[in-house]
Amino acid sequence: NAGVTQTPKFQVLKTGQSMTLQCAQDMNHNSMYWYRQDPGMGLRLIYYSASEGTTDKGEVPNGYNVSRLNKREFSLRLESAAPSQTSVYFCASSGQARTEPQHFGDGTRLSIL
Amino acid sequence: EDQVTQSPEALRLQEGESSSLNCSYTVSGLRGLFWYRQDPGKGPEFLFTLYSAGEEKEKERLKATLTKKESFLHITAPKPEDSATYLCAAHSGGAQKLVFGQGTRLTINP
Repeated sequence: NAGVTQTPKFQVLKTGQSMTLQCAQDMNHNSMYWYRQDPGMGLRLIYYSASEGTTDKGEVPNGYNVSRLNKREFSLRLESAAPSQTSVYFCASSGQARTEPQHFGDGTRLSIL
Repeated sequence: EDQVTQSPEALRLQEGESSSLNCSYTVSGLRGLFWYRQDPGKGPEFLFTLYSAGEEKEKERLKATLTKKESFLHITAPKPEDSATYLCAAHSGGAQKLVFGQGTRLTINP
């Protein structure tokens, strides 16, 4: 049972570099989400995709872009990384109803120097 | 503004010492209250969903309850393997999103 798979698990970037975080789910879920988790801040929603072909901004979208490649995959891109984007990034997915529980991957730990 | 507050921030118990974690919420149109467990270096793992005041859910040593303003996660006779950070989240019908609390870091000493 793979569930939600995120790659890479760790990454170190220099300020100004770009990178894409990958996420794939095998639960046939319609909705997918990207969160960041910072000490003392809790989980904050960056972007979400309610279904294939749609994406919407969450609480902290600035500096990020997303692509819902197909039903399984949802990627997060940092075009020009900044030290403030140092964080742990989690991808999640959920079923059709918005009140269904979200299931999370194990995260990508990203450091921006 | 939708808000979820968990207390205490950290809790240290002896094995077998029962206690409760608190989750206070103010969201517009609660559609569901979720509890997750998070181990170090891992993503949150779903535990329970509660939908209406008075509802209770149980799993092994854990029981979650819900009122109109709070949810409690009761842990009975905990074991060291119950050590983790416990997160609660409220689904805001008004904003159509999940609002997370900051978590309670629970440590169970043998």
